[in-house]
Amino acid sequence: EIVLTQSPATLSLSPGERATLSCRASQSVSSYLAWYQQKPGQAPRLLIYDGSNRATGIPARFSGSGSGTDFTLTISSLEPEDFALYYCQQRFDWPPRFTFGPGTKVDI
Amino acid sequence: EVQLVESGGGLVQPGGSLRLSCAASGFTFTSCDMHWVRQTTGKRLEWVSGIGPDGDTYYPGSVKGRFTISRENAKNSVYLQMNSLRAGDTAVYYCVKGGYEVMTGPGPYAFDLWGQGTTVTVSS
Repeated sequence: EIVLTQSPATLSLSPGERATLSCRASQSVSSYLAWYQQKPGQAPRLLIYDGSNRATGIPARFSGSGSGTDFTLTISSLEPEDFALYYCQQRFDWPPRFTFGPGTKVDI
Repeated sequence: EVQLVESGGGLVQPGGSLRLSCAASGFTFTSCDMHWVRQTTGKRLEWVSGIGPDGDTYYPGSVKGRFTISRENAKNSVYLQMNSLRAGDTAVYYCVKGGYEVMTGPGPYAFDLWGQGTTVTVSS
C-alpha cells in the first residue's frame, strides 16, 4: 500500500503570507495526486487534481506541483478563509485503491 | 443543484448492521463512479468503497467482506450496507463522486463532489 506523508502537521501563518505544504508518497504515484481543503463542520472540497490542475472554481492563488513521490501545494497569499485542513490523496488504478495523507492544518 | 445527500447514520452496537443511503442530483449519475469515504474522530480520511457505472465494486482490505456498496440508477442513489460493525468503524461517512477519468484506468482522477456526511457510531 502506498503511504502518504504530509508536512508540516501544522503551519502557523498570517493573512497575506505564502503557504507551502508538502506531500510525499512512499513510492511513485506518477502525477495522480489530488489536494483537498476542509473547513470545520464541512466536507472536504477538491482543490487540485492530477498534481497541478485546479478544480472548477478554485482561485488562482492555489497551485500544485510535483510528480513521482514529492508534491507541493502552494497558497500564494493567504486569505482569512484559507485557514483550514489540507489533505493530499493518491490513486492506484488497478485494482482501484485510494489513500489520503494525515493532513496539514494551516492556522493563524 | 449539484449535490449528494446522505442518510441512515446512527448508533449501532458492535456486531450490528447499518445501511447508508445517498441521493444524487444535478449531474448524470448513471455515468459516474461513486464512492464512500469516512473520516474518523482523529480527522483521518479513509476510502471504504467504490462502484463503477456498470456496477463493478471495489474495497480496501479493512472492510472487504463486511461492507457492500450498491447503486440504483433509476433512483440516482448509492448505498453502503455495513455488517459486523466494530468500534473502529465509528466515523462520519461521506458519499463522494469520482471525476475526470474512470477509477479502473490511468489518467487524472479525484473526488470532485462530496456530500455533507452522516455519522455512524458503533458502541455498546
